[in-house]
Amino acid sequence: SQQGEEDPQALSIQEGENATMNCSYKTSINNLQWYRQNSGRGLVHLILIRSNEREKHSGRLRVTLDTSKKSSSLLITASRAADTASYFCAMRSLVSNDMRFGAGTRLTVKP
Amino acid sequence: EAQVTQNPRYLITVTGKKLTVTCSQNMNHEYMSWYRQDPGLGLRQIYYSMNVEVTDKGDVPEGYKVSRKEKRNFPLILESPSPNQTSLYFCASSLIGLAGLNEQFFGPGTRLTVL
Repeated sequence: SQQGEEDPQALSIQEGENATMNCSYKTSINNLQWYRQNSGRGLVHLILIRSNEREKHSGRLRVTLDTSKKSSSLLITASRAADTASYFCAMRSLVSNDMRFGAGTRLTVKP
Repeated sequence: EAQVTQNPRYLITVTGKKLTVTCSQNMNHEYMSWYRQDPGLGLRQIYYSMNVEVTDKGDVPEGYKVSRKEKRNFPLILESPSPNQTSLYFCASSLIGLAGLNEQFFGPGTRLTVL
């Protein structure tokens, strides 16, 4: 069973617009990570936010974490066509060492 | 170059023929893991290892075996593959920090087809 639920499943925007993806989870977590995957390739780590952090920035990426609502969001500002990919949240629970991924959001940025 | 390598990258086999997918990392990471990715299901963890000789089941371990005899290698073994194991497989590794698992580094994937 998956730990994370992501929405939307697919998102299509124009270049220059912002893209927001959401992730909800079920159990208490140690940290939450966001990954990017280009079609059929390995995942690439984007950003990690710890359970005691509320917001984190990295370049055009902004991640928020609300542990009371068990949810996180990834915002990509000023999107580019090269941002077209699938984005996944992943989390490690407090009670085990396994990692659970959401089903992902497929982002398409049109030039 | 720091990386996770997997072999083979593509494999077509038949039901019941034992196979091994190798995974190796050169970053001295303690944590290694295997995932399978199927359309609409995201990544599901098969097995993981916190260190040498320490392995644990993930979400979908049935039909798979692993071993961790050396820190750098974490092979995935399918003793008797079946068509429902047709999937895209990823190996990943990570350091274990004071606050838990750090970012995972992923291999390029192995696309397995079981006929």
